[in-house]
Amino acid sequence: QSALTQPPSASGSPGQSVTISCTGTSSDVGGFDYVAWYQQHPDEAPKLIIYEVSVRPPGVPDRFSGSKSGNTASLTVSGLQAEDEADYYCSSYAGRNNFGVFGGGTKLTVL
Amino acid sequence: EVQLVQSGAEVKKPGESLKISCKASGYSFTSYWIGWVRQMPGKGLEWMGVIYPGDSDTRYRPSFQGRVTISVDKSIDTAYLQWNSLQASDTAIYFCARGPNLNWFDPWGQGTLVTVSS
Repeated sequence: QSALTQPPSASGSPGQSVTISCTGTSSDVGGFDYVAWYQQHPDEAPKLIIYEVSVRPPGVPDRFSGSKSGNTASLTVSGLQAEDEADYYCSSYAGRNNFGVFGGGTKLTVL
Repeated sequence: EVQLVQSGAEVKKPGESLKISCKASGYSFTSYWIGWVRQMPGKGLEWMGVIYPGDSDTRYRPSFQGRVTISVDKSIDTAYLQWNSLQASDTAIYFCARGPNLNWFDPWGQGTLVTVSS
């Protein structure tokens, strides 16, 4: 099972919006509405910020939003803040025998 | 509060065995999946395998099948990740995480750093 494809880096200035893409196939991203996004700050554990394509867990700011079109999912961070600087990983369910696959991760820099 | 607390950092030699743990609290341990994720130094996240403590249904990613063993002890709400013979390439941080299904996992443990070096 190949990893999902994410851009290695993204950046934006405080207050701007940034969108991170996550491209898979019809066997994962395109086949299920089960895309999740995780935020990982340096030396910390990943934190779930979006699940089932666009659902935010309690406590996650509404500046974070998710969407999907075909085989590509997207995470948009609006109103960038300094604390949004982190690595972001997408993940998709990929069927019973594969259960899940991550993207390679995107390092978001707040300029 | 739902928490997963992992065992501490380990330093091992190639060929040695190791079992690291993930202690769950604050929820019904047998009703959620536990997943294990590897993060090699400076690299991304990789799923290793998952287990459902309720019936011990265990699934491994092909690249980890036969290299590690995932298990649980329901009596103490703890999941384990085990190696019989470590290699230098096993040096990584290992995270456990809880999932209501196999679609998303939250929360995550703090991670266990495993260093394998002669």
